Amino acid sequence: ETGVTQTPRHLVMGMTNKKSLKCEQHLGHNAMYWYKQSAKKPLELMFVYSLEERVENNSVPSRFSPECPNSSHLFLHLHTLQPEDSALYLCASSQDEGTDTGELFFGEGSRLTVL
Amino acid sequence: KNQVEQSPQSLIILEGKNCTLQCNYTVSPFSNLRWYKQDTGRGPVSLTIMTFSENTKSNGRYTATLDADTKQSSLHITASQLSDSASYICVVDGFSGGYNKLIFGAGTRLAVHP
Repeated sequence: ETGVTQTPRHLVMGMTNKKSLKCEQHLGHNAMYWYKQSAKKPLELMFVYSLEERVENNSVPSRFSPECPNSSHLFLHLHTLQPEDSALYLCASSQDEGTDTGELFFGEGSRLTVL
Repeated sequence: KNQVEQSPQSLIILEGKNCTLQCNYTVSPFSNLRWYKQDTGRGPVSLTIMTFSENTKSNGRYTATLDADTKQSSLHITASQLSDSASYICVVDGFSGGYNKLIFGAGTRLAVHP
C-alpha cells in the first residue's frame, strides 16, 4: 500500500468510447503525475499538477484530458483513443520543495486496452 | 541528449545467488539517482535515492553504488529470493527541464528461479 490508489485497475474500451481513470493520494503531497508505460519502454511523463495547477503537458494528444479538482485527486479523461494508446497508466505523487522533486509514490496502475 | 541506459535488458538467476544490475547515464548535471522495483502488474516502488555526493546506499539486501565521474550506477542484490523477481528501473533526476527532469531507464527484468 503506497498511499496512491488508482481505479479502475483494468479497462477495455473501443475507439469511440469515453472513459476516465481516477487517482487518489492519501499522503498530503503537493504534486501529482500521470505516466504512460508501454512494454519495454521507459516511463513517459504525460502531465504534472503542482498545487492543483497544471505545470507540465508533455505534448500529449488532446484525446487525453487531465483534471485535478483538488490536491488529493487526479483524473485522466479518455476520448476516441487509438489502439497504440493501450498501455499501463501510472499515477504518482510527491512532496516537492521548490525545484527539487521529492520521492515519487506510484499507484498500482490502470491497464488500458483499446480495441 | 539526456539518456539513461540499463543493462542487461533481462536476467535469470537461481535463488540464493547474487546479481548486479547496471545503469549508465548522460544526464548532466544531476540532482540524484533513484532505483525503483516494479513487480509485474504493480506500480514502481522506491528502493534507494542517492545524491551525487553519495557513493553507496543500502536497503536490506539491495545495495546501490554511484560513480558520478563515470556516470555509472549499479544495484547489487545479495542472496536473491523468489520475491526479487521484478523489473528494476533506474531514474536520474537532472536539475533542468522542469518536471521533465526525471529521466527513466527502460528497466532490467530479473527472474529468480528456484
